[in-house]
Amino acid sequence: DGGITQSPKYLFRKEGQNVTLSCEQNLNHDAMYWYRQDPGQGLRLIYYSQIVNDFQKGDIAEGYSVSREKKESFPLTVTSAQKNPTAFYLCASSIEYRPSEAFFGQGTRLTVV
Amino acid sequence: GESVGLHLPTLSVQEGDNSIINCAYSNSASDYFIWYKQESGKGPQFIIDIRSNMDKRQGQRVTVLLNKTVKHLSLQIAATQPGDSAVYFCAENQAGTALIFGKGTTLSVSS
Repeated sequence: DGGITQSPKYLFRKEGQNVTLSCEQNLNHDAMYWYRQDPGQGLRLIYYSQIVNDFQKGDIAEGYSVSREKKESFPLTVTSAQKNPTAFYLCASSIEYRPSEAFFGQGTRLTVV
Repeated sequence: GESVGLHLPTLSVQEGDNSIINCAYSNSASDYFIWYKQESGKGPQFIIDIRSNMDKRQGQRVTVLLNKTVKHLSLQIAATQPGDSAVYFCAENQAGTALIFGKGTTLSVSS
């Protein structure tokens, strides 16, 4: 089945540590996105990638980094510079850069302990 | 930047009732609007969309209304079922730009 897979579903991190969230899609989509969701808030764009080896900052990129070495993979690293990393992280993809047509993964809940 | 907001954070209805979830947007240049449903611990799912050249669009048990004069968007769910319980988001989009999401309304359906 084609789809977009995020792993792990739950992730715990000690303060000061970097952690990488995985996002894989087998939909042959060129564009991929990372969003952050906080309780009672809408999704906010962290980074997006329109094509392999290219990515752009979204509205809240500070404290995060990404890579896009393969078309199917768009990992997100939450660095120690992110002051409030506890959140629900959602990855999405679309055939090309059309955010309104993106399919979402099931999310990773990151908790800093 | 400009944001999309929802009028009520929560809405409680009885099974079988019709539900209306509202959303206000502020960017008059937005030309495409989407409603998403998000169940607990899952990613958002597309429900229905509408372009700015339309006032109304119907799907299966759902209808979206767009009032550009007052920049208002609503989602109507007919004969609400317990499985409709979720958080509902509206989002606006201007061609070539990122989606802007509203804060969400939590719909609770009691049987």
